[in-house]
Amino acid sequence: GDSVTQMEGPVTLSEEAFLTINCTYTATGYPSLFWYVQYPGEGLQLLLKATKADDKGSNKGFEATYRKETTSFHLEKGSVQVSDSAVYFCALRGPSGNTPLVFGKGTRLSVIA
Amino acid sequence: KAGVTQTPRYLIKTRGQQVTLSCSPISGHRSVSWYQQTPGQGLQFLFEYFSETQRNKGNFPGRFSGRQFSNSRSEMNVSTLELGDSALYLCASSRETNEKLFFGSGTQLSVL
Repeated sequence: GDSVTQMEGPVTLSEEAFLTINCTYTATGYPSLFWYVQYPGEGLQLLLKATKADDKGSNKGFEATYRKETTSFHLEKGSVQVSDSAVYFCALRGPSGNTPLVFGKGTRLSVIA
Repeated sequence: KAGVTQTPRYLIKTRGQQVTLSCSPISGHRSVSWYQQTPGQGLQFLFEYFSETQRNKGNFPGRFSGRQFSNSRSEMNVSTLELGDSALYLCASSRETNEKLFFGSGTQLSVL
């Protein structure tokens, strides 16, 4: 079945450092890909998405590009802030759109001042 | 516009008991999904309801059940609780099945 693998955490960075969180997937066809973020004590929020190969999703300085050839959707940010400290989840939904979201296990990011 | 509301926020039960969790979706949303979140397994899909009908079901034992009411509110029930059921249970709603999901803050269930 469909699956998502993302890098193990936790990740600790200094403020203004560059962030990369790796995400690869296994799926048939062309799934839609997502990054969700969970701040402490809250539910998940959609951060960005991409629905076809070579699409780039972006939001709040975060970016991720849908790479079909490497089945990857890595999350990047050029300069992280303390407020970016959260758990980040990579997810996919199958091409039909009628299947549930499949999530990776999450990567905890801590940004220190 | 109110977000997805889950009650209760925290719950403590003992093994063998049963529990019911509640989820009120965003007004106008007809689809409700439930996920179990644990440190070891991450987010695991439980089930999805749309207009009172179960659309999808995850790979959980029959002790886990759910339903959706005509006003789109949803409940999930876990019977004969086990220690391994301790988790954060998240509810998410969307207007239609394949649209953007909005998550609630979850119900933290502890089974002692």
